[in-house]
Amino acid sequence: EPEVTQTPSHQVTQMGQEVILRCVPISNHLYFYWYRQILGQKVEFLVSFYNNEISEKSEIFDDQFSVERPDGSNFTLKIRSTKLEDSAMYFCASSESNTGELFFGEGSRLTVL
Amino acid sequence: SQQGEEDPQALSIQEGENATMNCSYKTSINNLQWYRQNSGRGLVHLILIRSNEREKHSGRLRVTLDTSKKSSSLLITASRAADTASYFCATEDLSGYALNFGKGTSLLVTP
Repeated sequence: EPEVTQTPSHQVTQMGQEVILRCVPISNHLYFYWYRQILGQKVEFLVSFYNNEISEKSEIFDDQFSVERPDGSNFTLKIRSTKLEDSAMYFCASSESNTGELFFGEGSRLTVL
Repeated sequence: SQQGEEDPQALSIQEGENATMNCSYKTSINNLQWYRQNSGRGLVHLILIRSNEREKHSGRLRVTLDTSKKSSSLLITASRAADTASYFCATEDLSGYALNFGKGTSLLVTP
């Protein structure tokens, strides 16, 4: 069964460092998303991406964040100058259309020290 | 953007009992979805109900949607210990691009 894969599963970084979280969406999907979940809290939308551009972003997704689809398979989230409050689980998701079921990866746990 | 809000926050039942979780939201939607999350894992889609549907079934799951009250319920019948997880409702508003998740209901099913 096709699945969304995310790497790394866990990253520990020092405050102020840059991190890149990687995702390989399901191959025939066209819409890609990043969500985050601070421990024990709700799942928050960050950004959606379609046709090589951002289609929607939340207030959380400020200039510290960027997304890229550098090749035909990877979808990355870059977080510049990380802060303690960026510590969270980051989930990538993809879908065939812009309405309907999202397929989520297992997440990348980011710990900022 | 709006978000679904689940109720109760936590629910503890015994195997074999039914579990009911509720979700309320604020503005018009295209559809409402329910997802499950095992501890520390990714979210798994359970069921989607469109705004013109009132009830939907999938196995032991039954979802209802009342657009006039802006609310939905998820019923899990004959629960099993393996149903222990967090359950989230997610609404797709009319702009269509993003799903907005609630805070989830934590379900514990004891043998």
